Amino acid sequence: GQQVMQIPQYQHVQEGEDFTTYCNSSTTLSNIQWYKQRPGGHPVFLIQLVKSGEVKKQKRLTFQFGEAKKNSSLHITATQTTDVGTYFCAGPGGFQKLVFGTGTRLLVSP
Amino acid sequence: EPEVTQTPSHQVTQMGQEVILRCVPISNHLYFYWYRQILGQKVEFLVSFYNNEISEKSEIFDDQFSVERPDGSNFTLKIRSTKLEDSAMYFCASTLGAGWSTDTQYFGPGTRLTVL
Repeated sequence: GQQVMQIPQYQHVQEGEDFTTYCNSSTTLSNIQWYKQRPGGHPVFLIQLVKSGEVKKQKRLTFQFGEAKKNSSLHITATQTTDVGTYFCAGPGGFQKLVFGTGTRLLVSP
Repeated sequence: EPEVTQTPSHQVTQMGQEVILRCVPISNHLYFYWYRQILGQKVEFLVSFYNNEISEKSEIFDDQFSVERPDGSNFTLKIRSTKLEDSAMYFCASTLGAGWSTDTQYFGPGTRLTVL
């Protein structure tokens, strides 16, 4: 079945450093969504990318959707302690089904 | 801001017992979902529900699982005979639109199920 992998699995950075997580799907995606899950919390929608090569920014977060629509990335500039959490990408796996990536857990030290 | 709510926040049960997890989706949303997340792992789709019917389900959602919308506001997930491996966080989600997976899914805070 469809698989969505993310690397790295875990990253520990110092506050102020940049962070990037990469998402790769085994199949072409019509769109990709990104979610953030704080420790002990639930997934919270961040953004959706639809077009090939699309780049979107939200303050310090930059999201990219690959040209082939099989990969995506999330880059955080100058991390803050509030960025701590697990970042998941998710793509459609059926008409109403989201297939989540394996997640990247980010830890930020002050 | 409207939100999805779930009760209870934590449920402890004995293996073989039935549990019912409850969710109240956002009031004008049409599509409802259950996902689960085993501790430290990714979020996995279980089932989607629209117009009082299951729309899609995963291989995890076997005969031990059922969903129901018993009234105009609640959406429930029942596990008939719990197993140890059912221990996980269960998230309910809802979407406003026509069920296309491009619609933003709003997740509830989750119910942590512990099967002893």
